[in-house]
Amino acid sequence: TQLLEQSPQFLSIQEGENLTVYCNSSSVFSSLQWYRQEPGEGPVLLVTVVTGGEVKKLKRLTFQFGDARKDSSLHITAAQPGDTGLYLCASRNYGQNFVFGPGTRLSVLP
Amino acid sequence: DTGVSQDPRHKITKRGQNVTFRCDPISEHNRLYWYRQTLGQGPEFLTYFQNEAQLEKSRLLSDRFSAERPKGSFSTLEIQRTEQGDSAMYLCASSLEGPRGAGEKLFFGSGTQLSVL
Repeated sequence: TQLLEQSPQFLSIQEGENLTVYCNSSSVFSSLQWYRQEPGEGPVLLVTVVTGGEVKKLKRLTFQFGDARKDSSLHITAAQPGDTGLYLCASRNYGQNFVFGPGTRLSVLP
Repeated sequence: DTGVSQDPRHKITKRGQNVTFRCDPISEHNRLYWYRQTLGQGPEFLTYFQNEAQLEKSRLLSDRFSAERPKGSFSTLEIQRTEQGDSAMYLCASSLEGPRGAGEKLFFGSGTQLSVL
């Protein structure tokens, strides 16, 4: 089973600051997904990255897939309180199911 | 498209009781997944279906857990003889299997929060 690590575990910042969170594995990802989860709700898919070196942007969020497809980062520019939540990365396991990392819990203070 | 629906949203039960949760996926989605999530952790895979066939089940899953998807539409997850360690959020997700490499997208429900007293 592919194991995903995420860092940092917790992050608390002020509104307007920039931040980066990371996801990595000792194995190569076939593809990688990022989700955001709010308290009491299920995760919501933000993006899927497939190609090594790929960069995708979603408004103030920038997702990068490592060249070797073993790591990924999520950068948020000018964070807002609405960005608060649990950020999860996930990858399809060698079977058919998706494996999730433990998540980074982000708190953006107004 | 009303999204993935889970029922109930919350369940409180006493240790030793049986509980059953229901998941209604997005109507055209052929894959359905069950995950469990405890506080401060990411979702942990339990099992998944393609249409009515249960294709994979976590080795960590106790025999007290069983899931069905009888007609390839809604699914139920039953936990028998609940234990306090079963307390968690149980999440259901559905997806539509697409062309290879197209990137399968999981759509999650809001989950069922189980508390075993």
